[in-house]
Amino acid sequence: GAGVSQSPSNKVTEKGKDVELRCDPISGHTALYWYRQSLGQGLEFLIYFQGNSAPDKSGLPSDRFSAERTGGSVSTLTIQRTQQEDSAVYLCASSSGLAFSTDTQYFGPGTRLTVL
Amino acid sequence: AQSVAQPEDQVNVAEGNPLTVKCTYSVSGNPYLFWYVQYPNRGLQFLLKYITGDNLVKGSYGFEAEFNKSQTSFHLKKPSALVSDSALYFCAVRDSTNAGKSTFGDGTTLTVKP
Repeated sequence: GAGVSQSPSNKVTEKGKDVELRCDPISGHTALYWYRQSLGQGLEFLIYFQGNSAPDKSGLPSDRFSAERTGGSVSTLTIQRTQQEDSAVYLCASSSGLAFSTDTQYFGPGTRLTVL
Repeated sequence: AQSVAQPEDQVNVAEGNPLTVKCTYSVSGNPYLFWYVQYPNRGLQFLLKYITGDNLVKGSYGFEAEFNKSQTSFHLKKPSALVSDSALYFCAVRDSTNAGKSTFGDGTTLTVKP
């Protein structure tokens, strides 16, 4: 079936606006992950979901960032009152969840967020 | 805490020559190690992983990696590089004590010249 999809592919917003980024995992995958990739840097872990619950939210940079997952499928990452330092590529990944520590994560193409 | 280091920002090799992209790690428990490749304006693609067993892991596109516990390394290798291998490569580690969280290195840009 289809891979991980993310929308929008590109988002340009003004400082102070709220944005929502969407991730559609591979069908049947119970684990979902959000990462941030800033220019010239590696991936920064943000949050992961097992089903609809998020056991580890420690990677969220501030309380302006939140994420939810409903129905064990689609996830939304919301950034409130965006700042210029939020500009990055936001990557979503999913895995089967059958062997959580060792599952391969499959990545989506990312959403490039630019905050003016 | 877990961490990954990719000591080289850039690796340049000639087509047909062997290539190595280096990765070292630090974890509290048992390491689970992964290599991914990223082409421009694309997401990450999985290459291979080490979970347990044979220290030499073979993956996609002719790549392989060797797990070395004493040196805490997991270097990516290919016997004969192709121009199409030019991309950004990421090493990642998970700790058996912190199941869901992957830590990625900063990436190494591989350039293969004809």
